[in-house]
Amino acid sequence: QSALTQPASVSGSPGQSITISCTGTSSDVGAYNYVSWYQHHPGKAPKLMIYEVSTRPSGVSHRFSGSKSGNTASLTVSGLQAEDEADYYCSSFTSSSPLYVFGTGTKVTVL
Amino acid sequence: QVQLVESGGGVVQPGRSLRLSCAASGFIFSNYAIHWVRQAPGKGLDWVAVISFDGSNTYYGDSVKGRFTISRDNSKNTLYVQMNSLRAEDTAVYYCARSLDTAALDIWGQGTMVTVSS
Repeated sequence: QSALTQPASVSGSPGQSITISCTGTSSDVGAYNYVSWYQHHPGKAPKLMIYEVSTRPSGVSHRFSGSKSGNTASLTVSGLQAEDEADYYCSSFTSSSPLYVFGTGTKVTVL
Repeated sequence: QVQLVESGGGVVQPGRSLRLSCAASGFIFSNYAIHWVRQAPGKGLDWVAVISFDGSNTYYGDSVKGRFTISRDNSKNTLYVQMNSLRAEDTAVYYCARSLDTAALDIWGQGTMVTVSS
């Protein structure tokens, strides 16, 4: 089971929208609606931003949204702000070993 | 408040062992599965292991299977991972994280650094 595939980097200007893709297989992303997204600022604990493909935890900005089509999930950040600059990881439950897998990670830069 | 605090990291020689702990507070520890996740320097997040709420089920990532053992003591609100036969590639920050039913990790600790080096 390989890591889920994400673009290495995505950038946008303040106020713009960006989308990060997360491509897996029919054994993980495509099999379950158990895709999550995490924001990770270096030196800090990762933060859950989206779970079950599109659900925002309490306290997470409505500017973050998630979706899925087939074996690919996506995270969209609208109204980009400087504080959104971080690394983002997707994850999924899998039907094989290992039980859980992360994406390769995407560095988001706010220009 | 709800929190997880890791401890036990340090520098260890290749082939040796180390045990990490994760102390939970602010929630009913015995109701939740807990994961270990690591991040090697300059690398992405890597899933290590998970243990069910009662400790009856454990699962491991391929790179640690057979070398690491996850366990918990619900009477002490503490999670552990026993790491044996450590390798240089195990060098990482190790996080514990609380799991929702859908395997989303909603609470994370700050991490503890493990360095495997001679």
